[in-house]
Amino acid sequence: DSGVTQTPKHLITATGQRVTLRCSPRSGDLSVYWYQQSLDQGLQFLIQYYNGEERAKGNILERFSAQQFPDLHSELNLSSLELGDSALYFCASSVKLNNSPLHFGNGTRLTVT
Amino acid sequence: DQQVKQNSPSLSVQEGRISILNCDYTNSMFDYFLWYKKYPAEGPTFLISISSIKDKNEDGRFTVFLNKSAKHLSLHIVPSQPGDSAVYFCAASNSGNTPLVFGKGTRLSVIA
Repeated sequence: DSGVTQTPKHLITATGQRVTLRCSPRSGDLSVYWYQQSLDQGLQFLIQYYNGEERAKGNILERFSAQQFPDLHSELNLSSLELGDSALYFCASSVKLNNSPLHFGNGTRLTVT
Repeated sequence: DQQVKQNSPSLSVQEGRISILNCDYTNSMFDYFLWYKKYPAEGPTFLISISSIKDKNEDGRFTVFLNKSAKHLSLHIVPSQPGDSAVYFCAASNSGNTPLVFGKGTRLSVIA
């Protein structure tokens, strides 16, 4: 058990809809990362927060947004969903600003129909 | 443009033998490398790391080798066990200060 909690585990929704994925980092970890894993793809970095502030952005679509709250949990919001957004979304946390090492949750599997 | 490449999607090895997983990178700024292991329905778990000041790091049955001139690293598992069957991801960053860039993974099957 990595200590990182992601909810929900599975999400099925229709195109055009909006969903929110939630992540609680390990106790004491200040940095939260979101990654997307599509079919046969590696983990694609989306966005990083550190102690409530956005620190780095990857190839995150404009339809996607995230935030980290004062209690350090994070939410990833995906809107105007398309079929291609179907993927596994992982949250990871680390105690420091840098990566080393990341502790991953078990992911949220999003299916857009 | 893939900065971290794992060119073998899958690898099958007999129990007790050595498993060698390979990873190539293109970004010369990368100086910190990690391997993660992922079982189905779970998130990746950290396995072993190496910084560019070293060319080898060992942890029990797992050894990572780094060849900076070739921009290549490999993970050796000796001896391989059936419980090692998983997807292995190679990842890299710049001094740990940039988000990890992952390869697509190699599925290792250890056959009893």
